[in-house]
Amino acid sequence: GDSVTQTEGQVTVSESKSLIINCTYSATSIGYPNLFWYVRYPGEGLQLLLKVITAGQKGSSRGFEATYNKEATSFHLQKASVQESDSAVYYCALSDTSSGSWQLIFGSGTQLTVMP
Amino acid sequence: DPKIIQKPKYLVAVTGSEKILICEQYLGHNAMYWYRQSAKKPLEFMFSYSYQKLMDNQTASSRFQPQSSKKNHLDLQITALKPDDSATYFCASSPHWVSQNTLYFGAGTRLSVL
Repeated sequence: GDSVTQTEGQVTVSESKSLIINCTYSATSIGYPNLFWYVRYPGEGLQLLLKVITAGQKGSSRGFEATYNKEATSFHLQKASVQESDSAVYYCALSDTSSGSWQLIFGSGTQLTVMP
Repeated sequence: DPKIIQKPKYLVAVTGSEKILICEQYLGHNAMYWYRQSAKKPLEFMFSYSYQKLMDNQTASSRFQPQSSKKNHLDLQITALKPDDSATYFCASSPHWVSQNTLYFGAGTRLSVL
């Protein structure tokens, strides 16, 4: 079945430094899945950060960017300069509607800690 | 103010007991869902409901039973609890079932089964 892999469970970065959180996916249908990043701030529910539904396109929100790379089956999240307020858990996800399912498939999440 | 309320935030239960996790959404959405995340595992889809009807069930065990008394409520009853049921349970909603790509989540109920 479809799956999403986030290899880092925890990432620690100093404030104002750059960030990359890795995400790779596997989709079994012949179509291309829609790709998402969700974020969960402490004490809150997950919320959509950005989404990209077309291969080769880039999504951006709140200074974060992610590019849909169908050759590498990757959707890495990047930010040029992180802030303490970015500390949260980041989840990569996909939906593969061509397979007939409308479900969101999530990765295990990456806990980002930004040090002052 | 949170628009999706989950109660309680933390729950400790003994093996073999039964618990109900509460979820209410005030977004006016027609579809609601349950997800679960165990330690170091992906967030896992459990159920989806649309207009109070079950649309999709990916939970193998009948010990997990959603209950929808109103359109904006989707509680989760768990019977004969096991330590493996320990996880954070997230309720979510979307305007319509087919738009579930953009989900709105509650803060979760963290269940520990001893």
